[in-house]
Amino acid sequence: AQKVTQAQTEISVVEKEDVTLDCVYETRDTTYYLFWYKQPPSGELVFLIRRNSFDEQNEISGRYSWNFQKSTSSFNFTITASQVVDSAVYFCALSVGASGTYKYIFGTGTRLKVLA
Amino acid sequence: DTGVSQDPRHKITKRGQNVTFRCDPISEHNRLYWYRQTLGQGPEFLTYFQNEAQLEKSRLLSDRFSAERPKGSFSTLEIQRTEQGDSAMYLCASSPLNGGTEAFFGQGTRLTVV
Repeated sequence: AQKVTQAQTEISVVEKEDVTLDCVYETRDTTYYLFWYKQPPSGELVFLIRRNSFDEQNEISGRYSWNFQKSTSSFNFTITASQVVDSAVYFCALSVGASGTYKYIFGTGTRLKVLA
Repeated sequence: DTGVSQDPRHKITKRGQNVTFRCDPISEHNRLYWYRQTLGQGPEFLTYFQNEAQLEKSRLLSDRFSAERPKGSFSTLEIQRTEQGDSAMYLCASSPLNGGTEAFFGQGTRLTVV
């Protein structure tokens, strides 16, 4: 069975602080993909990143960075110098099997509140 | 707007009534997905289409739910004899046949059953 756990339900930080959102996944498949999505109050899910199971390189995109560690089955997301516009619910998701079919297994999400 | 479009955005219905939602995917996308998201939870996969063929249905999709994609373009999701437990956000997503990097989501239809 596949599962994604986001243990942090809600995090509040003050603007300019760094914050890390945790994601732990479970799967027996050797080929899988991990994702992070942002859900602002408007409701649509906004894609942030995809990682495949064979690529453990960390990635940085502007203020965002991701740390993928297969040894601990974790795919954590760090926002550096947080801004009020980062306030949203963030979802980690897992997709197994062939690339291109997005039957995601989502975590329960972490609500991030960035205070001015 | 060339994103995924869903209609209506909000629907309030009485228990026992039937409701139908529409999703228009990104025009060149062959794959279309429906998800359900209840309050405080992540979205849960319901079903997906490749062109007009419905290739997979989750066990969450009870026999009161039916989804169609008659011409491989837009899709409809119908819920018959709605129950209060059907209250949720229904999200549609699409992706191209060659996979791309991710599925693109619409803004969802929020259903409230009273």
